[in-house]
Amino acid sequence: DAGVIQSPRHEVTEMGQEVTLRCKPISGHDYLFWYRQTMMRGLELLIYFNNNVPIDDSGMPEDRFSAKMPNASFSTLKIQPSEPRDSAVYFCASSLNVGDYGYTFGSGTRLTVV
Amino acid sequence: GQNIDQPTEMTATEGAIVQINCTYQTSGFNGLFWYQQHAGEAPTFLSYNVLDGLEEKGRFSSFLSRSKGYSYLLLKELQMKDSASYLCAVRDVGGGGNKLTFGTGTQLKVEL
Repeated sequence: DAGVIQSPRHEVTEMGQEVTLRCKPISGHDYLFWYRQTMMRGLELLIYFNNNVPIDDSGMPEDRFSAKMPNASFSTLKIQPSEPRDSAVYFCASSLNVGDYGYTFGSGTRLTVV
Repeated sequence: GQNIDQPTEMTATEGAIVQINCTYQTSGFNGLFWYQQHAGEAPTFLSYNVLDGLEEKGRFSSFLSRSKGYSYLLLKELQMKDSASYLCAVRDVGGGGNKLTFGTGTQLKVEL
């Protein structure tokens, strides 16, 4: 398996623009997670899905952020409009059902909003 | 909610042993994980504890005491490649039971 695949690896955009981050989880994994990592706040959970259904979106900072999972092999995280404080590394992770496997993380998308 | 505390930085010598501590508070504990993250890379899974005691996996071991809300990661025979950030993460029974909350990480520097 190719692991969790995220795109793009790097994104630089201007304030006010729409940004879409993409994730393909490991085939067969039924949980998908979106995290944001910054130096100040570490890894923060934004939202997670189970069987394509959003379970907990309490970490989504505000209405500018939205996430979808239209099928088992694809998810998007959208920021509209983007702001400089959204600059961070965004990780997608997937896992099997609750167990001792942990999460498998993608390589992340480094977002810079100028 | 959850509160996870671990030291910000540690330094150790190649070949030595280092222990990284993690304390946590949670309303519904359902497992503790340790991850390793090299600079510019994704976190990778190291270990999992759900019952009290020590889990050993090669040079790495992890210990858990649920009554004390305490875990540690023990790294033996340190190598330069072990220089990385080590993240403690707690899984909670709430919200579907598969939600990990991460500590801010301990940056370990291994020196010659």
